[in-house]
Amino acid sequence: QQQVKQSPQSLIVQKGGISIINCAYENTAFDYFPWYQQFPGKGPALLIAIRPDVSEKKEGRFTISFNKSAKQFSLHIMDSQPGDSATYFCAATSGSRLTFGEGTQLTVNP
Amino acid sequence: NAGVMQNPRHLVRRRGQEARLRCSPMKGHSHVYWYRQLPEEGLKFMVYLQKENIIDESGMPKERFSAEFPKEGPSILRIQQVVRGDSAAYFCASSPPNLRDTEAFFGQGTRLTVV
Repeated sequence: QQQVKQSPQSLIVQKGGISIINCAYENTAFDYFPWYQQFPGKGPALLIAIRPDVSEKKEGRFTISFNKSAKQFSLHIMDSQPGDSATYFCAATSGSRLTFGEGTQLTVNP
Repeated sequence: NAGVMQNPRHLVRRRGQEARLRCSPMKGHSHVYWYRQLPEEGLKFMVYLQKENIIDESGMPKERFSAEFPKEGPSILRIQQVVRGDSAAYFCASSPPNLRDTEAFFGQGTRLTVV
C-alpha cells in the first residue's frame, strides 16, 4: 500500500499561531519522510525531513513529530507568519520513489 | 549549479495535438521523476527514469503518454493526441540514486492547457 493520507485539506491560522498538519501511512517499507512547501506557480521545495528512527526533528519554527508505532507524522509551524501561506505536502519514500499526501493549503492571516 | 530546468513553462495545445515537455536534471543527478498536479490536487507520480532506462512507469496512463531519458539531453514527457483532461501542471524532479537522507529537487513545472 503506497498511500499517504494527509489532513486537513485546508487550514487557516492567525499570525503567531501554531499550524499543525497530519499525515498517516500504511507501508512499513517507507524509510524517509520529507515535507515539501509549494508556493503558487512554483515547484515544491523541501522544507524539512525525518528518518523513522527519530521521533522529532526541529529546524527553526518547523518541527516534525514522528510516531512509528502509529505510522503517523506531523508538521508543526510555530509562530506562523503570513509568508508561510502555501501548500504543504507530506511525503514518504521507499527506495527512490516519493509518494505524496494530498496537500494542505495553509493561510496565515495577518 | 543550476536547478532542475523545465521547459516550456506554459504550453497551450489544441485537442488532438502532441505535447512535449522537457526536463534537464540538476548536474550530477542521474534519476528523473515526473509528477502531474491537477488544479487543487496533490502531486501524482507518473514515471521514474534513469539514463536510458524506465525504472517505474506504474503511474503513467496506458495510452498516449510516454517518457524517455536519453543518454544525452533532457528527459522528455510526451503526450500524444491531448485531451482537455490532460490540462495540468507537470513537474519534473531529479535526485541522486537513493532518496534516503537526500532530497528530490523539483523544477518550476510546465503548465499544459488543452483548448
